[in-house]
Amino acid sequence: NAGVTQTPKFRILKIGQSMTLQCTQDMNHNYMYWYRQDPGMGLKLIYYSVGAGITDKGEVPNGYNVSRSTTEDFPLRLELAAPSQTSVYFCASNLRGGRGNSPLHFGNGTRLTVT
Amino acid sequence: QQQVKQSPQSLIVQKGGISIINCAYENTAFDYFPWYQQFPGKGPALLIAIRPDVSEKKEGRFTISFNKSAKQFSLHIMDSQPGDSATYFCAASSTDSWGKLQFGAGTQVVVTP
Repeated sequence: NAGVTQTPKFRILKIGQSMTLQCTQDMNHNYMYWYRQDPGMGLKLIYYSVGAGITDKGEVPNGYNVSRSTTEDFPLRLELAAPSQTSVYFCASNLRGGRGNSPLHFGNGTRLTVT
Repeated sequence: QQQVKQSPQSLIVQKGGISIINCAYENTAFDYFPWYQQFPGKGPALLIAIRPDVSEKKEGRFTISFNKSAKQFSLHIMDSQPGDSATYFCAASSTDSWGKLQFGAGTQVVVTP
């Protein structure tokens, strides 16, 4: 099993450009999440999904959009990139959501710089 | 506003020493408290987790201590090794939160040979 796979690993965007961060998992997990990690701030939840066709906002959703058309894929879209979106983005998945001791499985991240 | 407060921000410990990281929370609905370990260039990975019905959980050299009344929990790394050098995050969630974790700010641990 590959687990959670994120692409690309690195990307530089100009202000105002758009891009999609890809995330796919092969563990048949219903729950998927997007976090951003900034130095000294921990990880902040952007969006999450509890199953195909169902998404909801997290703590810091502004400037982002998501979709979940399949169980496996959960892409994150940046429409008008801003310098404040410079960060490392992590996708994660989880088998049982908040029930039971179900760990989050993280991808290796996408490092995004907006200049 | 950070719902889970973590300290210290960084610590340096000698090989064989004990690393201690502390976390505090306010939300009494939290009922799951995991610790994640992150190496440079990698995503976080679950290290150990505890639920509030026990006060301590040990897995190898890693121990979580949990104080429900004080709303605090801590990670102890015994006999620290250079391979333990990483960033550690505490986190918390509640059963009805769809697995959404609130993370602390992280602690960078450096173990010197």
